[in-house]
Amino acid sequence: QLQLQESGPGLVKPSETLSLTCNVSGGSIGSSSYYWGWIRQPPGKGLQWIGSVYYTGSTYYKPSLKSRVTISVDTSKNQFSLKVRSVTAADTAVYYCASAFEVAGNVYWGQGTLVTVSS
Amino acid sequence: DIQMTQSPSSVSAFVGDRVTITCRASQNLNRWLAWYQQKPGKAPKVLIYAASNLHSGVPSRFSGSGFGTEFTLTISSLQPEDSATYYCQLANSFPPYAFGQGTKVEIK
Repeated sequence: QLQLQESGPGLVKPSETLSLTCNVSGGSIGSSSYYWGWIRQPPGKGLQWIGSVYYTGSTYYKPSLKSRVTISVDTSKNQFSLKVRSVTAADTAVYYCASAFEVAGNVYWGQGTLVTVSS
Repeated sequence: DIQMTQSPSSVSAFVGDRVTITCRASQNLNRWLAWYQQKPGKAPKVLIYAASNLHSGVPSRFSGSGFGTEFTLTISSLQPEDSATYYCQLANSFPPYAFGQGTKVEIK
């Protein structure tokens, strides 16, 4: 069974870059059956898919975030990462990493990490 | 950008009641839709995938139906532990994975 764990700073200043990493254990990030993604949830609000990466490095982003977001995969470390540039208070959210398995949806999730954008 | 719209935004019902949540998509999804349950402070859990398939370990009182642009999640007999927020999601074998805005289910 896969386990995912987010790590990164909990506080980021406005206009700076938010960086998070998701460590995958219990399986290989090189599996062709999964897409590895980031999903966020602002306080008191709903879930927002940010984007996903395949083990080959192919990426897919929510169109409204595409200009500020980069997701990458490191198969040697069995982890994938998220960068959000030029953050504002609107980027304050719990950030989840998750794996999508074929058509079964996001079956495995990290516990989530709160990132606050504030000076 | 595919838009997913859920209704109602919230519902309050008695234990034992039948509860139905609807999800409408702005484009044809075929049957590639998943439903999630999220409790406060926790990551979401998948309930239903491919519109009507029950994920392993999910109680049989949960069921899903639909095709194309309209889908439903039904809880046949509401239990106290079903108090949560429910989300639909476009869930094909590849991205994007857009979510609905959520439906909060409360127990009267």
